[in-house]
Amino acid sequence: GAVVSQHPSWVICKSGTSVKIECRSLDFQATTMFWYRQFPKQSLMLMATSNEGSKATYEQGVEKDKFLINHASLTLSTLTVTSAHPEDSSFYICSARGGESSYEQYFGPGTRLTVT
Amino acid sequence: GQNIDQPTEMTATEGAIVQINCTYQTSGFNGLFWYQQHAGEAPTFLSYNVLDGLEEKGRFSSFLSRSKGYSYLLLKELQMKDSASYLCAAIDSNYQLIWGAGTKLIIKP
Repeated sequence: GAVVSQHPSWVICKSGTSVKIECRSLDFQATTMFWYRQFPKQSLMLMATSNEGSKATYEQGVEKDKFLINHASLTLSTLTVTSAHPEDSSFYICSARGGESSYEQYFGPGTRLTVT
Repeated sequence: GQNIDQPTEMTATEGAIVQINCTYQTSGFNGLFWYQQHAGEAPTFLSYNVLDGLEEKGRFSSFLSRSKGYSYLLLKELQMKDSASYLCAAIDSNYQLIWGAGTKLIIKP
């Protein structure tokens, strides 16, 4: 099956610093990657959709200058949380679409970010 | 607008059967997914329905009625490890996933 990895799995950073999260599709080419955020006891919230080689499309209310997304290749997308604040602490999950199925999204294991 | 409705929480007994319902309203429709998500983990794929009817996969089955905008996930022979959130997601005409808020399933001994 299609495998998606994320790195790091958890990170603690100080307020005001930036954090980069990587999402990789290991055994297929991901034409589209999605970034989600999930707060405790809440459902997934789509932050942005990115296609390889083009700018990401951000959902309403998500600051594109704060959450920088780079989809540089068909197997790698990165999310950088700039000038992180405690309210950015959350579970960030990426998913990738491609491979044999056009519709299914394959999820990475998630990255838990804590901003102190 | 686009909307997915599913119950917030359900409780069932180990060994029993539970049905989690999902209704959807989307701009176009290209299928419906069910995902399972344990606390602190990413969602994992359970099923995909695009045609009307029942798809059975072991203890889990998923049903779709396109005319009614309705789906359900049926879990049989419940085990304690089935305690999780179950997410319903419909694919719209732009092939985007529209997510429900998830149903937290609590299994009691």
